[in-house]
Amino acid sequence: AQSVAQPEDQVNVAEGNPLTVKCTYSVSGNPYLFWYVQYPNRGLQFLLKYITGDNLVKGSYGFEAEFNKSQTSFHLKKPSALVSDSALYFCAVRADTGNQFYFGTGTSLTVIP
Amino acid sequence: KAGVTQTPRYLIKTRGQQVTLSCSPISGHRSVSWYQQTPGQGLQFLFEYFSETQRNKGNFPGRFSGRQFSNSRSEMNVSTLELGDSALYLCASTPGDSNEKLFFGSGTQLSVL
Repeated sequence: AQSVAQPEDQVNVAEGNPLTVKCTYSVSGNPYLFWYVQYPNRGLQFLLKYITGDNLVKGSYGFEAEFNKSQTSFHLKKPSALVSDSALYFCAVRADTGNQFYFGTGTSLTVIP
Repeated sequence: KAGVTQTPRYLIKTRGQQVTLSCSPISGHRSVSWYQQTPGQGLQFLFEYFSETQRNKGNFPGRFSGRQFSNSRSEMNVSTLELGDSALYLCASTPGDSNEKLFFGSGTQLSVL
């Protein structure tokens, strides 16, 4: 069965510090991995995706994520957090053999000034 | 290009009523999927339509149904509303390929009283 786990409901980080939002997945076949961000009263916005190739993926707003096949993880990172990064972050996976996306429960990121 | 449009933005209904939500995908996108978002549950997949056919279905009761029209617009219907159906309902579209990202609408906030 396909699934995504985001083990932290809430992550707090000081402005200027590096941030990490964790994601692990389970999928049959090769994974297509995605990160989305949701601001209050808005839909989800795409940040980045991993399909194949380089394990380090760079995306919008200075975010990046590292695909680790052995640990089945796809953690989201940013070297220096901004207050404006405060939002809800969702990890999602889709198998290369299927059409359905599976989302994690989301991690609320708060960047403290 | 216009984004994904969902109407209405807000909806208040009472238990036992039925409701219809509408989604217009990005022009040229043939896949439309629906998600229910509630606090603590993340995004729960409802169903996906591709070229007017339901391609995938999540684990929701039969009270939840949908359809897609020839112009790719989609509607979602919930009959015999329950208090627990209160949620943000998100629609997303893609061209249809499995490695493509989802484009989300802003959602319809449904409140059942």
